[in-house]
Amino acid sequence: NAGVTQTPKFQVLKTGQSMTLQCAQDMNHNSMYWYRQDPGMGLRLIYYSASEGTTDKGEVPNGYNVSRLNKREFSLRLESAAPSQTSVYFCASSGEAGVTDTQYFGPGTRLTVL
Amino acid sequence: GEDVEQSLFLSVREGDSSVINCTYTDSSSTYLYWYKQEPGAGLQLLTYIFSNMDMKQDQRLTVLLNKKDKHLSLRIADTQTGDSAIYFCAERWAGNMLTFGGGTRLMVKP
Repeated sequence: NAGVTQTPKFQVLKTGQSMTLQCAQDMNHNSMYWYRQDPGMGLRLIYYSASEGTTDKGEVPNGYNVSRLNKREFSLRLESAAPSQTSVYFCASSGEAGVTDTQYFGPGTRLTVL
Repeated sequence: GEDVEQSLFLSVREGDSSVINCTYTDSSSTYLYWYKQEPGAGLQLLTYIFSNMDMKQDQRLTVLLNKKDKHLSLRIADTQTGDSAIYFCAERWAGNMLTFGGGTRLMVKP
């Protein structure tokens, strides 16, 4: 089991460029999440998908779009990147049977927008 | 979920105990979590506590919850250099939404 995987690991963009961050999980989880991490601010939720076919906005959705392609994959798209979107992006999934419904995180994508 | 606050930095000597504190504001939180983030890595779940518990012990980790004061702490006994990392507390609310604190950087000196 690879758990939650993310590609790419690093990316540098120029202002106005677009890109898609990929996330996949092999744990048969129903829910998937995209967070961004900025220094001293913890993780903030961008979008989430409670189940295949549904997506909802989180705390900071502006400038992003998402696609829940199937149960395994949840992608995050930046249509026109801005320097304020320089951050580390984490994908997570949850939905195993059990009490805690723990979120499991991928290793992150480090994005710099110049 | 609303605000979750943590101190930014903690430094301890190897072998000492570390105590990382967290305050939260949402009284409807069901679970509270501690995650560990090592440099360049994602978040790894360390432990969690259900909101109707006062204490949970898991090997070197002890979690204390004061629900009245909305205060959560993580004690690491016999802290090792491998414990150096950023520690995040998070509260769970509204199904499975998490609100994270800003993280506490723990530095362990040999």
